[in-house]
Amino acid sequence: GAGVSQSPRYKVAKRGQDVALRCDPISGHVSLFWYQQALGQGPEFLTYFQNEAQLDKSGLPSDRFFAERPEGSVSTLKIQRTQQEDSAVYLCASSLGGALHQETQYFGPGTRLLVL
Amino acid sequence: SQQGEEDPQALSIQEGENATMNCSYKTSINNLQWYRQNSGRGLVHLILIRSNEREKHSGRLRVTLDTSKKSSSLLITASRAADTASYFCATDPLNQGGKLIFGQGTELSVKP
Repeated sequence: GAGVSQSPRYKVAKRGQDVALRCDPISGHVSLFWYQQALGQGPEFLTYFQNEAQLDKSGLPSDRFFAERPEGSVSTLKIQRTQQEDSAVYLCASSLGGALHQETQYFGPGTRLLVL
Repeated sequence: SQQGEEDPQALSIQEGENATMNCSYKTSINNLQWYRQNSGRGLVHLILIRSNEREKHSGRLRVTLDTSKKSSSLLITASRAADTASYFCATDPLNQGGKLIFGQGTELSVKP
């Protein structure tokens, strides 16, 4: 079956532009996570959804970052007024059950964002 | 901030040799997972070991977990050039809602 997909795969934005990154999780997966990976680093947690509920947004670096999953499937990560330090790969992951199930997270290919 | 620390940061070996990577972490966990990432690609899940398990095998992979030392190791036996990638350990800390905390990774190069 299809894995996690993300679009666009690459995005170049001018400083100050707004961007929207999309994640299509594996069908039927309850949990969805967003991570940010800077060059040469491991991914860092941004936010977590269980169905449509955003249960944890403690990793969002500023109020310019906003995520939603209105129908409990597709999710969008929006970054307003992008800054150069936002340049990174944004990874989406999904897992079948809720957080207490301790299940494997399946990652998408990521969106590589470059802010000029 | 990232919880895990991996050692070594980079490892270069010949095809056929074994590769060992280590991971240390700071807080109590539900489980620990190892992922592989090829350059410019997403993360591929390798293995999950729960906090009540000590060792797990999958093909050429062997993972150990020592919760008393808060450490884990990943052994890849009979390495191949195709194993060249970055390897990350990720912990699922207790009472943190399932989010994963990643280390900085070990960059493995397997030379033919």
